Amino acid sequence: DQQVKQNSPSLSVQEGRISILNCDYTNSMFDYFLWYKKYPAEGPTFLISISSIKDKNEDGRFTVFLNKSAKHLSLHIVPSQPGDSAVYFCAASDQTGANNLFFGTGTRLTVIP
Amino acid sequence: AAGVIQSPRHLIKEKRETATLKCYPIPRHDTVYWYQQGPGQDPQFLISFYEKMQSDKGSIPDRFSAQQFSDYHSELNMSSLELGDSALYFCASSFTDRVRTEAFFGQGTRLTVV
Repeated sequence: DQQVKQNSPSLSVQEGRISILNCDYTNSMFDYFLWYKKYPAEGPTFLISISSIKDKNEDGRFTVFLNKSAKHLSLHIVPSQPGDSAVYFCAASDQTGANNLFFGTGTRLTVIP
Repeated sequence: AAGVIQSPRHLIKEKRETATLKCYPIPRHDTVYWYQQGPGQDPQFLISFYEKMQSDKGSIPDRFSAQQFSDYHSELNMSSLELGDSALYFCASSFTDRVRTEAFFGQGTRLTVV
């Protein structure tokens, strides 16, 4: 049963525009959310995270928004750059203390020059 | 900066053979996670260790076992390999001190079972 879902397998955006990647989750016990970026043949790289006590976290061109009532989070990349082209995974961690991450299926972002 | 190191990077085994994957976490990280990513699938959590003790168990088959050693490196042992075990196996490490931190991933070991 998929607890973290990314319903868009792919997204294409023009360079300089905003990329919005979406993620939904079902487990209300999740309290920490992360975005990972993955290039081919490499392990996922941590990008940005947000705790459930916040609804927004910003780091440079990357902003993550959390809507707890809707169990939805999104990653905004502004402005998008060709180097941002990768697969983006949303991940969530629950409150049980083990810190294991539950991943979404990923969204492949292509930024068109 | 030092990253999570996994070895080997690639491994080819025959059905019913045994494989051992190794993971060397970032220095001072006390938690190790193992994930399996099958073709076209999202990473699935297998097992994690905190301070050399198993801390959580996910969808790890009974044919697999893992442990974390005194130097914090971890090994994933896989026996009676099946074709369906072909996947990318990621190890991740984090420092857990009552504050949530991100896990840093290694580059993965690609296991091919033929």
